[in-house]
Amino acid sequence: GESVGLHLPTLSVQEGDNSIINCAYSNSASDYFIWYKQESGKGPQFIIDIRSNMDKRQGQRVTVLLNKTVKHLSLQIAATQPGDSAVYFCAEAYRDGATNKLIFGTGTLLAVQP
Amino acid sequence: NAGVTQTPKFQVLKTGQSMTLQCAQDMNHEYMSWYRQDPGMGLRLIHYSVGAGITDQGEVPNGYNVSRSTTEDFPLRLLSAAPSQTSVYFCASSFGPGGEQFFGPGTRLTVL
Repeated sequence: GESVGLHLPTLSVQEGDNSIINCAYSNSASDYFIWYKQESGKGPQFIIDIRSNMDKRQGQRVTVLLNKTVKHLSLQIAATQPGDSAVYFCAEAYRDGATNKLIFGTGTLLAVQP
Repeated sequence: NAGVTQTPKFQVLKTGQSMTLQCAQDMNHEYMSWYRQDPGMGLRLIHYSVGAGITDQGEVPNGYNVSRSTTEDFPLRLLSAAPSQTSVYFCASSFGPGGEQFFGPGTRLTVL
């Protein structure tokens, strides 16, 4: 809810502009990455994913870019709309022995100005 | 499909009380998990289950118990609530541990 948005990095954009949200991941062994959107008072919602054998993946109005060299992930939202206002966070997945691990980032608050 | 449902939506407990957070999914997912979300810390995994009868600890399991008697249900029990357990709790499910996870709406818990 509202408390999740406190102390988060904030990206403020004008309606209609493109948004770029960045994420640095920690484990070079991570082979699967996911972007989630979380609106106030709701659970996280899947947006798009990408596997480590790809550099780019496109969805509807969203594109995820993966740079494994610098362990960086970005989410691009085209023609940002007020309904895109939310907290966005990335998650990285990797195998740890017999267990699959999924680690979430702390999130970025996207504020769309009308 | 109702997806992932959680009850209650809000709860206030006193220190030392116990309670169970309920989670159910109707998507026949094998993998279910519980997370807590605190300001500035992202989602942290408490416990997870790869199928009925199988559970394992996540990153922050202390003070919580889980069980998985059916594929559909994955309750989270707080044995003796502490103020440090004040948080928003999310249940999630997926076909497998590395795939897209579907989250419930969350339970906001306050421990006084």
